[in-house]
Amino acid sequence: GQQLNQSPQSMFIQEGEDVSMNCTSSSIFNTWLWYKQDPGEGPVLLIALYKAGELTSNGRLTAQFGITRKDSFLNISASIPSDVGIYFCAGLNYGGSQGNLIFGKGTKLSVKP
Amino acid sequence: DAGVTQSPTHLIKTRGQHVTLRCSPISGHKSVSWYQQVLGQGPQFIFQYYEKEERGRGNFPDRFSARQFPNYSSELNVNALLLGDSALYLCASSFRSPGSGSGELFFGEGSRLTVL
Repeated sequence: GQQLNQSPQSMFIQEGEDVSMNCTSSSIFNTWLWYKQDPGEGPVLLIALYKAGELTSNGRLTAQFGITRKDSFLNISASIPSDVGIYFCAGLNYGGSQGNLIFGKGTKLSVKP
Repeated sequence: DAGVTQSPTHLIKTRGQHVTLRCSPISGHKSVSWYQQVLGQGPQFIFQYYEKEERGRGNFPDRFSARQFPNYSSELNVNALLLGDSALYLCASSFRSPGSGSGELFFGEGSRLTVL
């Protein structure tokens, strides 16, 4: 089945640093999405990408839909403490009657001690 | 406006028991999906319902079943619980129909099931 490889698995940030994470797939997706999950809560949508090569921003977050449709990356600029959490990429193949997302395993963002 | 609400938030069951989890979507959303999230992993798709019809099923055994009611709320049922069913069960709703290419799901906080 389809799998998403997300990297890094975890990273430590210092306030003000820029953060990058990416997601790759063995197969093509038509839509890429990035979600963030805080402890004890469900994932919250950050950015949705619908077109290969598309670059979309949401405040300090920027994400790109890879030109091959097999990858995506998320950048966070000038990180702040509330950026801590787990970030998931998700891919969607639409068409037909299904609309289920395939999620990566997540990138855990923590604050440097 | 109320988001996606799930109940119960936490529950403990023993092996072999049955569990029913409930979900109320955001008002106006007709699509409800269920995902299982094991600790340290991303959510994994279980079911999708739209307009009370099953529109998708993930790779889960027949012990898992679901339904959607006329008010678009949904139930997930799991029979003959196993230790491996311990997980966070997430419900998500969408105002778009399956196959629309949206993927924009609104998740509830989940029901954390522990099987002893």
